[in-house]
Amino acid sequence: RKEVEQDPGPFNVPEGATVAFNCTYSNSASQSFFWYRQDCRKEPKLLMSVYSSGNEDGRFTAQLNRASQYISLLIRDSKLSDSATYLCAPNSGGYQKVTFGTGTKLQVIP
Amino acid sequence: GAVVSQHPSWVICKSGTSVKIECRSLDFQATTMFWYRQFPKQSLMLMATSNEGSKATYEQGVEKDKFLINHASLTLSTLTVTSAHPEDSSFYICSAIAGTAYGYTFGSGTRLTVV
Repeated sequence: RKEVEQDPGPFNVPEGATVAFNCTYSNSASQSFFWYRQDCRKEPKLLMSVYSSGNEDGRFTAQLNRASQYISLLIRDSKLSDSATYLCAPNSGGYQKVTFGTGTKLQVIP
Repeated sequence: GAVVSQHPSWVICKSGTSVKIECRSLDFQATTMFWYRQFPKQSLMLMATSNEGSKATYEQGVEKDKFLINHASLTLSTLTVTSAHPEDSSFYICSAIAGTAYGYTFGSGTRLTVV
């Protein structure tokens, strides 16, 4: 089973909409996770960390559901600039390899 | 913040030649770096884990003799694609972690085109 799995999308949403997508993980021992965004032909950039208490940063909210082993990312008031691929990854502590899911592609349309 | 500098950003080379890609951690020491490859519209694929002062650990299916990794110092890891062929054309990205609070910091990537 893959370490993390994501719906590749694409999710096409109108500007101003609220959109959410999940990332399921297989290792029940994982304590925290990261959400990254990757623009086309660019490197991934850290969006936010996710701990058991969740995390909120402006229009972005991330939650961790241990019982069902998934993390979620909610984006409110979508902007055109939010169009990207969103990747999740477990925080392996830095010295162990980490594999990424396929990412979820978000396309915000005017 | 943590910065990983990757060079070159893009390179075009002839089939059969070798290409070296460098990744440097600018403001932190990286005992471990990770090398990924990404084909168009596909996900990041981990190729190998680079460890300072020791041999790299390669993922299954990645040829260690073709993709040479050297991590001779705490701030520099290099990936050399030897005898490159058109099917090696891809986006190569390195990453390292400065601390768990920062997550994985990625280099800006190298777009390799083999003609």
